Amino acid sequence: GNSVTQMEGPVTLSEEAFLTINCTYTATGYPSLFWYVQYPGEGLQLLLKATKADDKGSNKGFEATYRKETTSFHLEKGSVQVSDSAVYFCALSDPEAAGNKLTFGGGTRVLVKP
Amino acid sequence: EAQVTQNPRYLITVTGKKLTVTCSQNMNHEYMSWYRQDPGLGLRQIYYSMNVEVTDKGDVPEGYKVSRKEKRNFPLILESPSPNQTSLYFCASSLTTGVQPQHFGDGTRLSIL
Repeated sequence: GNSVTQMEGPVTLSEEAFLTINCTYTATGYPSLFWYVQYPGEGLQLLLKATKADDKGSNKGFEATYRKETTSFHLEKGSVQVSDSAVYFCALSDPEAAGNKLTFGGGTRVLVKP
Repeated sequence: EAQVTQNPRYLITVTGKKLTVTCSQNMNHEYMSWYRQDPGLGLRQIYYSMNVEVTDKGDVPEGYKVSRKEKRNFPLILESPSPNQTSLYFCASSLTTGVQPQHFGDGTRLSIL
């Protein structure tokens, strides 16, 4: 079956530091890949997505590149802010799977300190 | 404003007392889904619906029921809640299936004592 593995947190950084959150996946089909962000007390918001190999998703200074050869979709941001403190989820959607199901990783909590 | 609205946001109840968590979306989305979020497990799909009167099981459907009588509403029903259903629940919707980003509600935290 499909699965997503992402690095466990919490990840604690200082403001303006570089952030990387690793994400790897296994899928039987050719999935689309997503990063969702969850701010405290809120639901998940789509941060960025990529639908095919070598696509780069980007939003709010975050980037992730769909690497089919390494089955990875690592999230990066060059200079984090305190407002980036949140839980980040990597997810995939397999077009061959029933129900448009998103398969999520376990989430990575990021804490940015001033 | 486009949104997915869940109610209640928080609920503490006792084993065996039937409860319903409502979910409503105002985007005319065909697809709706329920997930539960547990520490270290990410979100797991409970049930989904491709359209009105069309529902199907996700990965963890045991102990839950759903209905889709109207396009905008997709309630989650726990007929006889048990402590292992204590969790954070999210409703989500998307325009259709396929590569469509899903819009999530703000979550419902259920505690079953």
